[in-house]
Amino acid sequence: EVQLVESGGGLVQPGRSLRLSCASSGFTFGEYAMSWSRQSPGKGLEWVGLVRSKSYGGTPEYAASARGRFTISRDDSRSIAYLQMDSLGAEDTGIYFCSRGYTIVGVKYYFDYWGQGALVTVSS
Amino acid sequence: DIQMTQSPSTLSASVGDRVTITCRASQSINTWLAWYQQKPGKAPKLLVYKASLLQSGVPLRFSGGGSGTEFTLTINSLQPDDFGTYYCQQYIKFPLAFGQGTRLEIK
Repeated sequence: EVQLVESGGGLVQPGRSLRLSCASSGFTFGEYAMSWSRQSPGKGLEWVGLVRSKSYGGTPEYAASARGRFTISRDDSRSIAYLQMDSLGAEDTGIYFCSRGYTIVGVKYYFDYWGQGALVTVSS
Repeated sequence: DIQMTQSPSTLSASVGDRVTITCRASQSINTWLAWYQQKPGKAPKLLVYKASLLQSGVPLRFSGGGSGTEFTLTINSLQPDDFGTYYCQQYIKFPLAFGQGTRLEIK
């Protein structure tokens, strides 16, 4: 059974950093891209970014709102994906979901499994 | 960047009804579209990918269609468990993008 479990959320002051983890099991982690999306309170889903599998270069892609402040990485030996968030602001408050990115050709990704999410609150 | 627009924003229907949600892309995305269902406090669940292919385990009353810029998600014979918010997502190119969501309420 595929399982994705986010951790590392919490209350953080504006301007500070936070790192989320996504521990994965039930599939060969290294063969899949891993993605992060978020949901502000009462709002819709917003894609944050993705890191490709090593087969497709292991490179990241980011939404404009994340580029330059957020870094997505992966540790295939531990089956964990990370979201490092720097210079956080109130607009970054929300639930952060990790998901498994499914692709056939390595350039088109949708998300077939999701974690339950981690709540991040940015406030002084 | 590609913008995704869903309609309606909210939909109220009765058990047994057939409902259709529309998703429009700001430019052609061929059939690189997925649909998700999200219930309050829960993670999204993949329903449809490649515009019309049903994810394993999804009930056959769900169906997806369309290509280019206009897409639909249809639920035949609505069931009480189908309440929630539905999102489309384009994945033809980065940045990936979701629609704003359609909230489905059961009367």
